[in-house]
Amino acid sequence: RKEVEQDPGPFNVPEGATVAFNCTYSNSASQSFFWYRQDCRKEPKLLMSVYSSGNEDGRFTAQLNRASQYISLLIRDSKLSDSATYLCVVTSGGGADGLTFGKGTHLIIQP
Amino acid sequence: GAVVSQHPSWVICKSGTSVKIECRSLDFQATTMFWYRQFPKQSLMLMATSNEGSKATYEQGVEKDKFLINHASLTLSTLTVTSAHPEDSSFYICSARGDGAGYGYTFGSGTRLTVV
Repeated sequence: RKEVEQDPGPFNVPEGATVAFNCTYSNSASQSFFWYRQDCRKEPKLLMSVYSSGNEDGRFTAQLNRASQYISLLIRDSKLSDSATYLCVVTSGGGADGLTFGKGTHLIIQP
Repeated sequence: GAVVSQHPSWVICKSGTSVKIECRSLDFQATTMFWYRQFPKQSLMLMATSNEGSKATYEQGVEKDKFLINHASLTLSTLTVTSAHPEDSSFYICSARGDGAGYGYTFGSGTRLTVV
């Protein structure tokens, strides 16, 4: 079983729409969770951390369900600039641990 | 915010040659550096973790003699791909993490290696 699983998409949605995608992780000991954004041929950039209580940053909302080992990302009022690949990332915690990446979900916002 | 500079951005080399990739933390001390590799349409895969002044810890399946990592200072880590072959062509990205609760993982801009 893959450690972090995501639907690769692509998700094609019209500008202004609300889109959500999620991922599941297999390591129940995972402690920290993130959504990263990666544009084509670029390095990943942190979009937001994910907390158990759920958190919101502008148009983006992230949620974590530890019991189901499930993380979600919701994007409201999508913009053309939101087109990218969204990576679900987990770590076991502690500064010595590298990040485990999902393959990413490709999102295309259409005008 | 924290910045990590990675060079070169891209390199094309002949099969059999060695390529060195540098990763520098510009405004913080990176106690831990991570090296990742990403093949097309694949996820980033952790290759190795290095702490300043000590030997790198390699992930299973990554040849330590082929991918030499040096983390001699708190601001510099290098990855040398030795005797590169076409199958080593990939996108290599470093990530650095400093001490303190406020330091997250900062990525370099990546190096696209093509071995011909």
